[in-house]
Amino acid sequence: DAGVIQSPRHEVTEMGQEVTLRCKPISGHNSLFWYRQTMMRGLELLIYFNNNVPIDDSGMPEDRFSAKMPNASFSTLKIQPSEPRDSAVYFCASSLGPPLASPLHFGNGTRLTVT
Amino acid sequence: RKEVEQDPGPFNVPEGATVAFNCTYSNSASQSFFWYRQDCRKEPKLLMSVYSSGNEDGRFTAQLNRASQYISLLIRDSKLSDSATYLCVVRTAGGTSYGKLTFGQGTILTVHP
Repeated sequence: DAGVIQSPRHEVTEMGQEVTLRCKPISGHNSLFWYRQTMMRGLELLIYFNNNVPIDDSGMPEDRFSAKMPNASFSTLKIQPSEPRDSAVYFCASSLGPPLASPLHFGNGTRLTVT
Repeated sequence: RKEVEQDPGPFNVPEGATVAFNCTYSNSASQSFFWYRQDCRKEPKLLMSVYSSGNEDGRFTAQLNRASQYISLLIRDSKLSDSATYLCVVRTAGGTSYGKLTFGQGTILTVHP
């Protein structure tokens, strides 16, 4: 079975540019999560969707970040304009939920470098 | 106070040793608990869920103490391949946090020959 698919795997961009990260969840999973991981802050939840509806976006750092889930098989995380402090690994994960005990399945992540 | 706290380690143990990791959580509404493992430059992967009565999977044993809001992971007879970062994960339901999963900072384990 295909897992969570993220693209691109690596992204290097200059400060001020727009960055779009993409995610395809596992088929049948109805919860989707975007996380950011850095050495200093660990894994931080940015936003999550349930049945394509954003449930909690309190982790989105600021207005430069936006996320959409237009359908059950696709989500994007956009940063505009990007800044060097946005450099991190961005993970997308999906799960079945509810029931609440369903664990997360992660994609391989997108390693973002903003220069 | 962080929602999920772990001892970051690092833990350096010889092969065959038994090692235990602890994790505490602050939200009493937390409902589901997991341990994930993350290898260097890889994505986190589910190691095991944690059930109220405690559960075991081979060399790995997980315990939950709801009264103390405490989770543990015990690894027996550690192998070189157990070297990784172990992440405690708590899922919270209710109010505006329905289905929110929060990760601890992770505990680094290195098993040496």
